[in-house]
Amino acid sequence: GAGVSQSPRYKVAKRGQDVALRCDPISGHVSLFWYQQALGQGPEFLTYFQNEAQLDKSGLPSDRFFAERPEGSVSTLKIQRTQQEDSAVYLCASSVRQERTDTQYFGPGTRLTVL
Amino acid sequence: AQSVTQPDIHITVSEGASLELRCNYSYGATPYLFWYVQSPGQGLQLLLKYFSGDTLVQGIKGFEAEFKRSQSSFNLRKPSVHWSDAAEYFCAVGDDMRFGAGTRLTVKP
Repeated sequence: GAGVSQSPRYKVAKRGQDVALRCDPISGHVSLFWYQQALGQGPEFLTYFQNEAQLDKSGLPSDRFFAERPEGSVSTLKIQRTQQEDSAVYLCASSVRQERTDTQYFGPGTRLTVL
Repeated sequence: AQSVTQPDIHITVSEGASLELRCNYSYGATPYLFWYVQSPGQGLQLLLKYFSGDTLVQGIKGFEAEFKRSQSSFNLRKPSVHWSDAAEYFCAVGDDMRFGAGTRLTVKP
């Protein structure tokens, strides 16, 4: 079956622009996670949804970052007034159950480059 | 503070040789432990995980890992490496999935 998909796969933005990154989780998956992976580093947790409820946003680095999952399926990560330090790969993952330790299935990521 | 360390940034092994990738963690209690693999252009894939019970965990693709509480380690092993195992490997800890910086594996023919 279809896995987690993310779009766009690559995004180049000028500093100060707003960007929106989309995640389509596996159908029926309850939990959805966003991670930020800087070059040469491991993924870092950004935020977590259980259905449409955002239960943890402690990893969002600033108030320029905003995530939503209004219908409990597709999610969008929005970054306002992008800065060069926002350049990274943004990973989305989904899991079947609500437990955070449930197996997460990752998408291929969106590589964001801010010039 | 909770943390996870992968001491080796890059490891090169010959095809057919054994492999051990190290992972050390700092955590308040027995944590949830994971190993993921990331191949170029592909998403992270779970190899195995440990929550409790038998400290030797079997995973996919012939990988195994052993939880050693006394050493705060969860090292990943494979007895015979295949060229297709070349990838980036990440250890993660806790229900909030704190990832290490990763170890890049190169396999020599």
